[in-house]
Amino acid sequence: ELKVEQNPLFLSMQEGKNYTIYCNYSTTSDRLYWYRQDPGKSLESLFVLLSNGAVKQEGRLMASLDTKARLSTLHITAAVHDLSATYFCAALETSGSRLTFGEGTQLTVNP
Amino acid sequence: EAQVTQNPRYLITVTGKKLTVTCSQNMNHEYMSWYRQDPGLGLRQIYYSMNVEVTDKGDVPEGYKVSRKEKRNFPLILESPSPNQTSLYFCASSLSMVSPLHFGNGTRLTVT
Repeated sequence: ELKVEQNPLFLSMQEGKNYTIYCNYSTTSDRLYWYRQDPGKSLESLFVLLSNGAVKQEGRLMASLDTKARLSTLHITAAVHDLSATYFCAALETSGSRLTFGEGTQLTVNP
Repeated sequence: EAQVTQNPRYLITVTGKKLTVTCSQNMNHEYMSWYRQDPGLGLRQIYYSMNVEVTDKGDVPEGYKVSRKEKRNFPLILESPSPNQTSLYFCASSLSMVSPLHFGNGTRLTVT
């Protein structure tokens, strides 16, 4: 059974600082996804990582995937308040049948 | 506008009273799924459907039913709701199993 763990679960940071959210998964996975959820809202897709060494960047967010370590990271550069949200990673089982989400990381960026 | 539409957005009901949460997508997506979101647990998959008439259990299917008679619709049925099914429910769809998901706006269900 695929398990996905994120850390930290809560992150409070100052504007302008850098930080990384970690996503570990327990068994072989084909693909890794990152989603963002604003308070009281739905989820929106940020990144899809398809292979070992994959790196995707959008604005101040950069996601990477290390399939050998079963680890994905979401790096935040020079955080701004608008990035405050809950970030979820999700891994797709190699069999391709189930998508398992992590618990989510609640990020608060303070002025 | 491309979207996944869930109804209702909010629902309060009593134990044992059958209910249906509807989900419809207008993007001609093959894959649809239902999740429940509970604090500290992330999203857990209830059921998914790879295509019309093809459905399968996710991680927490007990107490739920689904059907996929048409490509665009994927209703979630609670035959006899119980208080432990109080949760925030999301329907999602995607072009295929491996494509990123498009989520509906969620249905907040309270069972008393």
